[in-house]
Order: sequence, then C-alpha cells, then structure tokens
Amino acid sequence: QQPVQSPQAVILREGEDAVINCSSSKALYSVHWYRQKHGEAPVFLMILLKGGEQKGHEKISASFNEKKQQSSLYLTASQLSYSGTYFCGTLKTDSWGKLQFGAGTQVVVTP
Amino acid sequence: DTEVTQTPKHLVMGMTNKKSLKCEQHMGHRAMYWYKQKAKKPPELMFVYSYEKLSINESVPSRFSPECPNSSLLNLHLHALQPEDSALYLCASSQGKMEGRRYGYTFGSGTRLTVV
Repeated sequence: QQPVQSPQAVILREGEDAVINCSSSKALYSVHWYRQKHGEAPVFLMILLKGGEQKGHEKISASFNEKKQQSSLYLTASQLSYSGTYFCGTLKTDSWGKLQFGAGTQVVVTP
Repeated sequence: DTEVTQTPKHLVMGMTNKKSLKCEQHMGHRAMYWYKQKAKKPPELMFVYSYEKLSINESVPSRFSPECPNSSLLNLHLHALQPEDSALYLCASSQGKMEGRRYGYTFGSGTRLTVV
C-alpha cells in the first residue's frame, strides 16, 4: 500500500525552509527518502528506522514518529541544488524487499 | 565502484520485437530490483531478486521476464510489449533484501523504453 505524501509541490526561494510529510496506515520498519532530478536516477538521501536510528545525508534532516507512522523531511536553508522530486519509500514490518514509494513532492528552489 | 549501470539508456521497440534490458552492479549487493516509472509518477516495484533467486513478482505480465545470471547482473527480457508499457525502467540494488531495510537502495539511471 502506497504511503501518502504531501504537499504535491512546493516553490521556495533560496534560503527558505520546507517540510515534506509522509504517512502510512501500516506499521513501518523503515522510511527511506530519495530525490530524483529530471531524467536522472533517484538518489538515496536518508533512512529512518524503527527505534530511532537514522542514516543519511549530512545536510538534510528527517524525523520518524513511530506512533503515528509518519515521517517528515526538513529542507533547511534551501539551495538551488535542492530542486527535484522527493519521494518517500516505506518498508512495512511484515514485508521484505517491497519498498513502496509515495506520489512524490516536486520542489523548485528559485534564486 | 558505487554505481548501478543500466544499458541501453534509450530503447525503441515494436510490439512484435524481443529485446533485453541489462543492469550491472559491482558493490557486492545481494538484492536487485526492477522498477517501472511512468512520467510524473513514483517508481513501481516489479521484481525482487535476493541471492540470485526471484523473491517477489508484483503480478507483472509474462511479457516481462526477469533473469539474474549472477550476483552482479540482472536482465529484463521484453517480448510482445504494448504501447502502454512505454516507461522508464529502473534497476536498483541493496546490500541484501533484509539489509535494504536499513541501508537504502542504489538506483541506476534507467532505460527509457518506447513501444511503437
């Protein structure tokens, strides 16, 4: 079952902040975050694990609320290079290998 | 080498053709995946291979036939495709099907397939 991601799109000026949310109705083992630029591969940014462990990108932060099965990705002091489509991917506690992606959030950072 | 390499980058094929997509990784990853991505949509899981064995088939039509000849290579054989199969086909790998839950996936840049 696909996680629900919001907002669908966000436009920022350089230096502004944004939050992207991802939620699931199922118990999750981990939440992945990827960024995909047009015509390119999705690039792994961050993984948040059940129990609070995080692994990922130095300049991007995220949180995972296990009680609510929700994750948020924080884009702080945005740069032009942050533009792209951000996808959350979820792995349920009872599934092995079935990484399911949310619909994506298109982020445009303008000068 | 921290890359997943996919060939060809672009492919145009007729509905009666047979073609293959190739994916290669040399990171020692033991799980490999095929995803299909339509324009402005998220990647959709098609197949999962774990230790060279097919582990998950997400009810994909038989005109798509995956193959994992060895731990570094993943193929997707295509036959009698329809125009609606036109999409970006992404390959990904992770340390293992279990470890992928903790360490993330590495994606290739994809093959853009057009069926005419």
